[in-house]
Amino acid sequence: AQSVTQLGSHVSVSEGALVLLRCNYSSSVPPYLFWYVQYPNQGLQLLLKYTTGATLVKGINGFEAEFKKSETSFHLTKPSAHMSDAAEYFCAVSGVKAAGNKLTFGGGTRVLVKP
Amino acid sequence: DAGVIQSPRHEVTEMGQEVTLRCKPISGHNSLFWYRQTMMRGLELLIYFNNNVPIDDSGMPEDRFSAKMPNASFSTLKIQPSEPRDSAVYFCASGPGNSYEQYFGPGTRLTVT
Repeated sequence: AQSVTQLGSHVSVSEGALVLLRCNYSSSVPPYLFWYVQYPNQGLQLLLKYTTGATLVKGINGFEAEFKKSETSFHLTKPSAHMSDAAEYFCAVSGVKAAGNKLTFGGGTRVLVKP
Repeated sequence: DAGVIQSPRHEVTEMGQEVTLRCKPISGHNSLFWYRQTMMRGLELLIYFNNNVPIDDSGMPEDRFSAKMPNASFSTLKIQPSEPRDSAVYFCASGPGNSYEQYFGPGTRLTVT
């Protein structure tokens, strides 16, 4: 079965500082991996995804993530935090194809950006 | 292009009443997902459809919950009778069948008093 662990339910960063959100996954098949962002009172929005190929993927708003198979990780980073990055971030992993195209989501990490 | 549309955006009802949440997926998408989000339990997948057929309803909490997808452009999630513990934000998401990507609607905030 697939599972996702996001280390830290809350992260506080200063404006301009590095944002690092950790995601580790478990999968019985080669995974597709996703990061979603949820702003207050909105639905989840796709930030970036890894399917195959290059292991460093870039997304919207300056975020990027690196797939590391040996570490079963897909950490999300942004070099310089902006106040508008305050939101909740969810990591997700795909399932076994025979089970359909559902995703398994992590518990989320809420990011607070301090001025 | 319009995204996923959900209605109503907010619903306040009394315990015991029937509640119906509605979703219109993105045109051309053939997968549809219903999620529930609460502070205590986070984001939970309730049920999902592929080509209008329910594939996995193992997340539906109990028989009070039911979901239908009569055609490719409409789905409902019904709670009958509703209880205060059903209070949550309910999201609908859709996705193209050849991909795992999901596109979320704005959600329906349900409050059961």
